[in-house]
Amino acid sequence: QSALTQPRSVSGSPGQSVTISCTGTSSDVGGYNYVSWYQQHPGKAPKLMIYDVSKRPSGVPDRFSGSKSGNTASLTISGLQAEDEADYYCSSYAGSYVFGTGTKVTVL
Amino acid sequence: QVQLQESGPGLVKPSQTLSLTCTVSGGSISSGGYYWSWIRQHPGKGLEWIGYIYYSGSTYYNPSLKSRVTISVDTSKNQFSLKLSSVTAADTAVYYCARSGEGYLWAFDIWGQGTMVTVSS
Repeated sequence: QSALTQPRSVSGSPGQSVTISCTGTSSDVGGYNYVSWYQQHPGKAPKLMIYDVSKRPSGVPDRFSGSKSGNTASLTISGLQAEDEADYYCSSYAGSYVFGTGTKVTVL
Repeated sequence: QVQLQESGPGLVKPSQTLSLTCTVSGGSISSGGYYWSWIRQHPGKGLEWIGYIYYSGSTYYNPSLKSRVTISVDTSKNQFSLKLSSVTAADTAVYYCARSGEGYLWAFDIWGQGTMVTVSS
């Protein structure tokens, strides 16, 4: 399985919204509703932000939302805050797990 | 609250076997309902899933690593382990253990802090 494709970087000013795309194939993203998103700050372990495409674990701010259309999943961060600056990875389960290439979110 | 902690050598020689252990605290592996995975991250790169084990001992590995990977579980110690054979410099990475399953079926809701393993002579 090839890694899912994400933009290398996205940026936004505090309060703005940013959207990160995650493109796969019909064999992974498009074929299953098992897309998850992880936030990773430098030197830290990843943190689950979204699972099953659009569900948020307890404790994750509702500024984070997920969606999917066809073979592309998306993570939107609304009302961007300084602490949202991090790397974000998508993942899809399709018999085995495949991760995205990662996106660096910069808060201007 | 369940916590995971990786342990093992930080330096492994080429061609040898990398061995890591993940200790689970705050919950029992034997209670079932969860899959226990190993995931790695090459320096400055993305994440790569290595494989998972269920408390019963059932395993599933990343096809790209399958020939070199063995994951085992020791329920008496509440630990699961990774062995990666014939390592090369390309196996240098931060290795994480993580949990998926009940409630978050195919997402990793709990991660260890990670342990850096360098392959070098």
